[in-house]
Amino acid sequence: DSGVTQTPKHLITATGQRVTLRCSPRSGDLSVYWYQQSLDQGLQFLIQYYNGEERAKGNILERFSAQQFPDLHSELNLSSLELGDSALYFCASRGWEGPGTEAFFGQGTRLTVV
Amino acid sequence: AQKVTQAQTEISVVEKEDVTLDCVYETRDTTYYLFWYKQPPSGELVFLIRRNSFDEQNEISGRYSWNFQKSTSSFNFTITASQVVDSAVYFCVHHTGRRALTFGSGTRLQVQP
Repeated sequence: DSGVTQTPKHLITATGQRVTLRCSPRSGDLSVYWYQQSLDQGLQFLIQYYNGEERAKGNILERFSAQQFPDLHSELNLSSLELGDSALYFCASRGWEGPGTEAFFGQGTRLTVV
Repeated sequence: AQKVTQAQTEISVVEKEDVTLDCVYETRDTTYYLFWYKQPPSGELVFLIRRNSFDEQNEISGRYSWNFQKSTSSFNFTITASQVVDSAVYFCVHHTGRRALTFGSGTRLQVQP
């Protein structure tokens, strides 16, 4: 158990809909990362937060947004969903934002858009 | 920008064979960290090992060992006496500064009984 909790584990929704994925980092970890894993794109970095502030953006679509709350949990919002958004979405946490420590990943949320 | 290349897409071995997973990275940074993660069929990403750029000493941990060669920008990972439970996708990962982790495309390892 990595200590990172993601909910829900599975999500099936229709095109055009909006969903929210939730992540609770390990206790005390301030840095949260979101990654998307699809069959043809591998693991793609979406966005990073540190102590409530956005720190870095990767290949995140404008239809997607995220935030980190004061209690450090994070949510990834996906809207106007398309079939191509079907993927495994991972959240990871680290103790701080600098280098040197590994990231611990949640079990992922498998999103299926039909 | 950082780039991690895992040229081996899939490897199949028979149980008890040793297997080495290759990783080559590109970076302009002088200080960086390298990791290996494992993704078993159940889907979670599991941290295995970490190496920093200023320590080229290679290590062994149980059945895992790694060979870090800064001169060739390689960070290879070896599993000794492979087991069926080692079947998974293995990712080589680069991290530097305050940026996100950069993943390679992964190598799928199948260990046959």
